[in-house]
Amino acid sequence: DTAVSQTPKYLVTQMGNDKSIKCEQNLGHDTMYWYKQDSKKFLKIMFSYNNKELIINETVPNRFSPKSPDKAHLNLHINSLELGDSAVYFCASSIKVNRETQYFGPGTRLLVL
Amino acid sequence: QKEVEQNSGPLSVPEGAIASLNCTYSDRGSQSFFWYRQYSGKSPELIMFIYSNGDKEDGRFTAQLNKASQYVSLLIRDSQPSDSATYLCAVTAGGTSYGKLTFGQGTILTVHP
Repeated sequence: DTAVSQTPKYLVTQMGNDKSIKCEQNLGHDTMYWYKQDSKKFLKIMFSYNNKELIINETVPNRFSPKSPDKAHLNLHINSLELGDSAVYFCASSIKVNRETQYFGPGTRLLVL
Repeated sequence: QKEVEQNSGPLSVPEGAIASLNCTYSDRGSQSFFWYRQYSGKSPELIMFIYSNGDKEDGRFTAQLNKASQYVSLLIRDSQPSDSATYLCAVTAGGTSYGKLTFGQGTILTVHP
């Protein structure tokens, strides 16, 4: 059983396109996160939702829009993709906010051409 | 000044030796400290967390925290080639940070036979 899953695993697309990445967790956790890992392997938080409510919104272009239809799902939609958006995007979840261990999904490797 | 700083390495140790990984952080209000391991092409996986000053041991791994010095370390005893990976130090602040996890840039560890 996969605890935190993401689809798709790989995404290759052209500049200017719109794409979505989906994340689901079956751990019963309240909190979910999106991270971006760039080519230098630096991992940085983008967004966090707690029980479908946005609680962390880092300095991210507004072309990125997260959506949480329920507390088990957190999707990421990206409009007008740019070359610099190429990265690995990780979804994670934790039981609750603050201090709690975060469990990561397998990642979505996005390549913008 | 980076919020969480690690030596990027690579750190190379012989099999059976002790590998010592270090991390410093800038936020004195930080409350929770995590070590994640990331194999190439994979997602981060939790090795250990530590909340209180002192040492915490789990098998071959020991985490050490010194809040006065804003320093956290990970010792890996009897290093194995399978320990070769990037080790990520991560820190959460308290209060209204909502579990925001700030990562260091990672230390590449190579254990050679």
